[in-house]
Amino acid sequence: KNQVEQSPQSLIILEGKNCTLQCNYTVSPFSNLRWYKQDTGRGPVSLTIMTFSENTKSNGRYTATLDADTKQSSLHITASQLSDSASYICVVKGGATNKLIFGTGTLLAVQP
Amino acid sequence: SQTIHQWPATLVQPVGSPLSLECTVEGTSNPNLYWYRQAAGRGLQLLFYSVGIGQISSEVPQNLSASRPQDRQFILSSKKLLLSDSGFYLCAWSERLAMGQYFGPGTRLTVT
Repeated sequence: KNQVEQSPQSLIILEGKNCTLQCNYTVSPFSNLRWYKQDTGRGPVSLTIMTFSENTKSNGRYTATLDADTKQSSLHITASQLSDSASYICVVKGGATNKLIFGTGTLLAVQP
Repeated sequence: SQTIHQWPATLVQPVGSPLSLECTVEGTSNPNLYWYRQAAGRGLQLLFYSVGIGQISSEVPQNLSASRPQDRQFILSSKKLLLSDSGFYLCAWSERLAMGQYFGPGTRLTVT
C-alpha cells in the first residue's frame, strides 16, 4: 500500500534553534517528493520539490534531503523564526496511477 | 501570475442544509482543478479532480458533488450536509494532472 508517514506529529522548539522533520514513504514507483508549509487556516505553500536523482534542495533556511534507496526524506529548518510555526506536509507523487499521496503533517511551534 | 480564490472563507451551516463552495483560478487556461478536505488533525483527502469543463472525477464516495461550469471555476456542493462534512476545504490547481499543486486559501466549514 502506498503510504507517506511523517514524524514527529508535533514539535516545539525555541526561536533560533534548528530542527529536522522526517518523511518516510512506501510509494512505488516514485516520481517526486514535495514539502509544503501550511500556516493555520491557510492553504499549503510549496517549499521544495525533488525528483529521484536529487538528494538535496534548499529554499532559504529550509533544506530538504531525499534518500530514494531508503525512501526517506527530511526537512531541515535552520535558525528557526516565529513565522516558521506551521504544519509541514510531505507529498509523494507516484504509485501505479501516479497520484499525489499526502502525509498527515508535522505541526511545528516555534516559541520565543 | 496565477491566483486562486475561494469563498467563503468560513461557513457555519446546520445539518441537512445545502452547501456551495466556489473556487476560481486566474492567469492560466485549462488548469487541472482539485477539491480537498482536511479534517482536524488529519491529512489532506482528495475529494474530486477535474481535467476540463464538465469533467469530474470522484475519489471517495460521499454526499458531496463537484461541478466545473467554466474553465477556471470549480464548485463543491451538497444537497444535505452531515456533521462529518465539517472540515477545512481546499481548492487547488495544477498545469498537469498530479503535478505540483497550488492551493487556495481554504474554506472552514462547521456543520452544527
